[in-house]
Amino acid sequence: GAGVSQSPRYKVAKRGQDVALRCDPISGHVSLFWYQQALGQGPEFLTYFQNEAQLDKSGLPSDRFFAERPEGSVSTLKIQRTQQEDSAVYLCASSLVGGEANYGYTFGSGTRLTVV
Amino acid sequence: AQSVTQPDIHITVSEGASLELRCNYSYGATPYLFWYVQSPGQGLQLLLKYFSGDTLVQGIKGFEAEFKRSQSSFNLRKPSVHWSDAAEYFCAVEHAGKSTFGDGTTLTVKP
Repeated sequence: GAGVSQSPRYKVAKRGQDVALRCDPISGHVSLFWYQQALGQGPEFLTYFQNEAQLDKSGLPSDRFFAERPEGSVSTLKIQRTQQEDSAVYLCASSLVGGEANYGYTFGSGTRLTVV
Repeated sequence: AQSVTQPDIHITVSEGASLELRCNYSYGATPYLFWYVQSPGQGLQLLLKYFSGDTLVQGIKGFEAEFKRSQSSFNLRKPSVHWSDAAEYFCAVEHAGKSTFGDGTTLTVKP
């Protein structure tokens, strides 16, 4: 597609509920990133895929967070047993190339998760 | 580990006035540096980037930024601000494909 598409745009979850957030990157983009943006802060790195390989998941806050990109295109970020501190905007970004030579991301509009 | 500081949380300028948003970074090697803009409810849009070479880089929407290694800074500038520039601006430094962002500067433009 023309841009990075994320769904849903908004998600309200009850504490303890599992959620799944979807990202459709730009077609052909090798790298895909997930970031978490809390209110009033900059995005914080969660995880990074190059094609279907998850190269870095050092930013995932706990083992309740899981991400996958099984066919190297669409990615899903899953949060199990949601907690109030998980409330944030989850941003997906993709990049044409991988590795160190990153030419800047194209971001999606994000999914705003509110845990009540 | 790399870090980014944006000292100004909020800046207000009059339309037509010049703008400078400050960014200081901490990084051991030659950094890859970026500025992004975020409008309410939207994702981040890349304004410009610095990898190497000329320390003054031009971006979209009339923005430019200057890399100063001696000051560990990468300040964003625009000579004449338009009302549509009101948004939040993020500076970022990249290492091994992942970026570290500052906490952003919110720009308000007065008519």
